[in-house]
Amino acid sequence: EVQLVESGGGLVQPGRSLRLSCTASGFTFGDYAVSWFRQAPGKGLEWVSFIRSKAHGATTEYAASVNGRFTISRDDSKSTAYLQMNSLKTEDTAVYYCSREGTTIFGVIIHHAFDIWGQGTMVTVSS
Amino acid sequence: DIQMTQSPSSVSASVGDSVTITCRASQGISSWLGWYQQKPGKAPKLLIYGASNLQSGVPSRFSGSGSGTDFTLTISSLQPEDFATYYCQQANNFPLTFGGGTKVEIK
Repeated sequence: EVQLVESGGGLVQPGRSLRLSCTASGFTFGDYAVSWFRQAPGKGLEWVSFIRSKAHGATTEYAASVNGRFTISRDDSKSTAYLQMNSLKTEDTAVYYCSREGTTIFGVIIHHAFDIWGQGTMVTVSS
Repeated sequence: DIQMTQSPSSVSASVGDSVTITCRASQGISSWLGWYQQKPGKAPKLLIYGASNLQSGVPSRFSGSGSGTDFTLTISSLQPEDFATYYCQQANNFPLTFGGGTKVEIK
């Protein structure tokens, strides 16, 4: 079964750090770009970060709200993506989802559309 | 950043009804638009990519159209499992941005 599983969420004080993991199974993780999204309680979806596959340089993108505080990375040998979150703020409180940039049934990459999502992990930033 | 404006924010409809949701981009995004369905406590699900392409496994009662700045998602003949919140997302450039969501509720 093709799936992504997030882990690492929890309760953390403002200013502290947390690292989220996103582990893939059922597909060749290294062939895909991965993104992190978040959803604050009762709010809409927000894109957080994106990392391309190694074939495309593993380059990264960040939302302005997290740029300089969050770092996305990947370890294809472990089929895992990470989101290192530093200097956390109360406004970072949200469910965090990782997702795979999708492909058509013919294996063509669907530009910045995301077809497989994890179940989400809750991050609560509070004193 | 590209702003995505969805309307309506909520709609009440009955099983069997047709529902149309609109999404407007603050600048042209060609056909780089996706639609997602999200149910409470669940991850989003990709329905439509490239403005009008049905994702594999998604029922054909879902359809998308539009290009440039104006897009629509139509659900023909609503089924009980379609009551959810729907989001559009521009895929043209970073930062990726979403519309505010449309909640489809049971009348």
